[in-house]
Parts: sequence; structure tokens; C-alpha cells
Amino acid sequence: QQPVQSPQAVILREGEDAVINCSSSKALYSVHWYRQKHGEAPVFLMILLKGGEQKGHEKISASFNEKKQQSSLYLTASQLSYSGTYFCGTASQGGSEKLVFGKGTKLTVNP
Amino acid sequence: GAVVSQHPSWVICKSGTSVKIECRSLDFQATTMFWYRQFPKQSLMLMATSNEGSKATYEQGVEKDKFLINHASLTLSTLTVTSAHPEDSSFYICSADPASGVAQPQHFGDGTRLSIL
Repeated sequence: QQPVQSPQAVILREGEDAVINCSSSKALYSVHWYRQKHGEAPVFLMILLKGGEQKGHEKISASFNEKKQQSSLYLTASQLSYSGTYFCGTASQGGSEKLVFGKGTKLTVNP
Repeated sequence: GAVVSQHPSWVICKSGTSVKIECRSLDFQATTMFWYRQFPKQSLMLMATSNEGSKATYEQGVEKDKFLINHASLTLSTLTVTSAHPEDSSFYICSADPASGVAQPQHFGDGTRLSIL
């Protein structure tokens, strides 16, 4: 089942913050976050495993709430380079398990 | 870091032609590779899971005879779109999973943009 991402689109000014949510109706083992720029392949950002962890990568961090089966991606002090479409991919089992991707959230950062 | 190479990056061909796309893991062995299709402004839709040495597992609605997948070695999987038609035009992306037994990020190739005239 495809996870639900919200919002569908976000427009920010450089330096502003944003939160992107990813929710699933199925019990999840892991949530993967990717950013894709137009015409390019997705680029891996981070992976979160069940257990309710939180991770950070420079000014981009994420959390995984196992009880709610929801993950949130936090973008702080956004930069122009953050523009792109963000996808969450969810897996219900560990190991080499296929990912089901959400429909994506288009983020536009303007000067 | 793990590198996945996909070739070709762009294909334009006539309707009825068969097109082969290669996906290689350059610095790791991949027992599992995934093939996705992405239409403009849409999400990544999994087409099939390619397993080294065995038959691919196709997602519901994907024609096995039209999208042939071969995973003959631990570093190479190929997707052949047979008798391609304009509706097959899309962005095809592969990803490889090092499969260490713990959830690992999938590493994507650069994708192949297929245009059928």
C-alpha cells in the first residue's frame, strides 16, 4: 500500500523551515527518504528503522514514530539546493525488501 | 560509496523495436536489483524485483513477456522492453541493494529516458 505524503507541494524562501510527512496504514520496518531533481535519479538522504529513532544529516533530519507509522522529514534553514521532489519509500520487512514510494512532495526554495 | 551505473541514459526508437537497458553495481555485489518506471510528475512505480540466478518477481499489472528481466551475475541486471510502443515511453530507473541483512539504502542508477516514436 502506497504511503501518503503531505503536503503535496511547498514553496519556501531561502532560510525558512519545512516539514514533510509520510504516513502508512501498514506496520513498517523502515522508512527511506530520497530527493529527486528534475530529470535526474533519486538521491538517498537517510533511512530510519523501526524503534522510533531520529536521524540528522546537516540541516536535514528525520524522525520515525513507530506507533503512528509515520515519518517526518525536517528541513531547516533551507537552501536553494534543497529544491526538488522528496519521496519517502517504506518497507514492511527487513533485508532486501522492496520499497513502496509515496507520491512525492515538491519543494521549491526561492531566493 | 555504492555506485550503480545504468546504460543507456537516453533512447529514442521506432515503435516495435526492442530496447535493452543495463544496470550495473560497480563497487558492490547485488543479489537483488529493482526496476522502476516513472511517468512525468509521478512517483516511482516498482515494476519488478530482479534476483541473481532466479526468475524476477513482477508487480501486479506488469507484463512479464513485455518487460524481460535477466540477472545473470551479482553485478548486472538487464531490462528488455520488447516490441516497444509509444505508451512505453517513460523514465526507467534501476536500484541495487547490497543486501547485508539489515535495511540498507537502495542505490539508484541515473535512469534511462525511453522515447518511442
